[in-house]
Amino acid sequence: EPEVTQTPSHQVTQMGQEVILRCVPISNHLYFYWYRQILGQKVEFLVSFYNNEISEKSEIFDDQFSVERPDGSNFTLKIRSTKLEDSAMYFCASGKTSGTYNEQFFGPGTRLTVL
Amino acid sequence: GQSLEQPSEVTAVEGAIVQINCTYQTSGFYGLSWYQQHDGGAPTFLSYNALDGLEETGRFSSFLSRSDSYGYLLLQELQMKDSASYFCAVRDEPGGKLIFGQGTELSVKP
Repeated sequence: EPEVTQTPSHQVTQMGQEVILRCVPISNHLYFYWYRQILGQKVEFLVSFYNNEISEKSEIFDDQFSVERPDGSNFTLKIRSTKLEDSAMYFCASGKTSGTYNEQFFGPGTRLTVL
Repeated sequence: GQSLEQPSEVTAVEGAIVQINCTYQTSGFYGLSWYQQHDGGAPTFLSYNALDGLEETGRFSSFLSRSDSYGYLLLQELQMKDSASYFCAVRDEPGGKLIFGQGTELSVKP
């Protein structure tokens, strides 16, 4: 069964460094999302992406964040200058349609630790 | 604001039935979904309700009442492997983001 994949599974970085989190969505999906989950808290929306542009972003997704779909398969989240509070689990998700029913499939996540 | 409320934790015994409630207040409503998460891993889709009523998928059922802004997930014949966090989530527009509740930690005891 097709699935969303993410790399790396765990990333440790120093405060102020840039990180790029990578995702390969399910191949025939058109809608892409990034969410994050701080340990013990709920899953929070960061950004949605469709037709090679951002459709919506949350207030968390400030100028330090960017997303890109550099080719037909990868979907990346870049954090330009990481802060301690960026430490979280980052999940990529993809969905097939924009219809009322649009199940989102989540990847296994990247655990980002900022020291 | 947009909010979903669900109990923080529920405990039940193997073989029992448990119901996890969710009330929501969102700017738009395009369906209520339920996700299961084991130990901080990937949220796994369980069920979806766009219309009022009960949806059944094996041991899991989900109910929605749009007039009450309320839904629940019903887990029957509980097994130890059902111990996990369960999140309700609302989509506020077609193809849009999921807005998650805080999650309910379900512990299944022998």
